Amino acid sequence: DQQVKQNSPSLSVQEGRISILNCDYTNSMFDYFLWYKKYPAEGPTFLISISSIKDKNEDGRFTVFLNKSAKHLSLHIVPSQPGDSAVYFCAASVPNAGNMLTFGGGTRLMVKP
Amino acid sequence: ETGVTQSPTHLIKTRGQQVTLRCSSQSGHNTVSWYQQALGQGPQFIFQYYREEENGRGNFPPRFSGLQFPNYSSELNVNALELDDSALYLCASSRQGKQEKLFFGSGTQLSVL
Repeated sequence: DQQVKQNSPSLSVQEGRISILNCDYTNSMFDYFLWYKKYPAEGPTFLISISSIKDKNEDGRFTVFLNKSAKHLSLHIVPSQPGDSAVYFCAASVPNAGNMLTFGGGTRLMVKP
Repeated sequence: ETGVTQSPTHLIKTRGQQVTLRCSSQSGHNTVSWYQQALGQGPQFIFQYYREEENGRGNFPPRFSGLQFPNYSSELNVNALELDDSALYLCASSRQGKQEKLFFGSGTQLSVL
């Protein structure tokens, strides 16, 4: 049972435009959500996070939106740059679970110059 | 500040053999966790160690075991290797606490033939 799903395996966007990556979850106990970015031959790197008490968190070009009623979160990248081309994973954790994360399957973002 | 380092980077084993993967935590981090990433999927939590004891485990059989040493480095051991164990194994370190960021190593690519 996949508790965190990223239904789009890939996304292609023109440089300068907005990239929107989506993630759905089923476990209502999740209270913390994160996005990680992964380049080939490297480990995932933390991008941005959001607690379930918020519905939006912004960091520079990156904004994460959380819709708890729909059990949906999204990552917006504006403007998209070629260096943003990578695989993006959303992840979630439950309270008192330390740093044990449940990951989605990832979305490959390609930003074309 | 040194990041998370893993060794070896690549490994080939045959079915039934045993393997040990190694991880050095980032400076200042006292918690280490291991994830398995199969091809085309997101990382899946194996287990986490804090103060040299396992304090969380995902849905993996007992033939997956680990150790954490006083210097916070860690090992992942897998006995009786199966073909499905072929994957990228990622180590992540963090500070103990709620909603701490995970810092990942580049992983060990294990192929079981």
